Amino acid sequence: DAGVIQSPRHEVTEMGQEVTLRCKPISGHDYLFWYRQTMMRGLELLIYFNNNVPIDDSGMPEDRFSAKMPNASFSTLKIQPSEPRDSAVYFCASSRQGVFTDTQYFGPGTRLTVL
Amino acid sequence: AQTVTQSQPEMSVQEAETVTLSCTYDTSESNYYLFWYKQPPSRQMILVIRQEAYKQQNATENRFSVNFQKAAKSFSLKISDSQLGDTAMYFCAFMKAYSGNTPLVFGKGTRLSVIA
Repeated sequence: DAGVIQSPRHEVTEMGQEVTLRCKPISGHDYLFWYRQTMMRGLELLIYFNNNVPIDDSGMPEDRFSAKMPNASFSTLKIQPSEPRDSAVYFCASSRQGVFTDTQYFGPGTRLTVL
Repeated sequence: AQTVTQSQPEMSVQEAETVTLSCTYDTSESNYYLFWYKQPPSRQMILVIRQEAYKQQNATENRFSVNFQKAAKSFSLKISDSQLGDTAMYFCAFMKAYSGNTPLVFGKGTRLSVIA
């Protein structure tokens, strides 16, 4: 089975531009998580979905960030307008709901650089 | 809120030796899961091992094992017969256990270098 797929792997953009990160979870997984990794703050949750519905977006830093999951196989994280402090690695992870909480499987991440 | 603390920012070990990475956590939850993830230079987050808090037996996966001390809220990772490929960042993570899945809370990580 294919793992979690993220695109692009690398993104370099200029301040003020719109950035869209994409994620395809593992087929059959009910949960999708977006995390951000920075040197200063480490790995932190931005938002997560269950069956395409956002459950907790309290980690989204501000209104410039938005996330959608239009169907079970696709999610986007959008930053508009982007700022240099948004530079980070953004991970998408998915998991399957079962009798016992399942493990989260991570995508390869998108390294975002905002100049 | 839950917190996870990894007190060793960096460690090194000789190839074939054994190393232990420390992790402590703080929670008021009684049911939860603990994980160790590995992040090599490729940046990929790879699950190393998981432990269910209700299980007294420590989890093992080949050369990797944990020492889970629930009362002390400690969850250390032991790597036996260290290999060069074990060089990576290691993150300890906590997850509350409910009927559904919940987000992971990560420690800041320990950078492990295996030396030939």
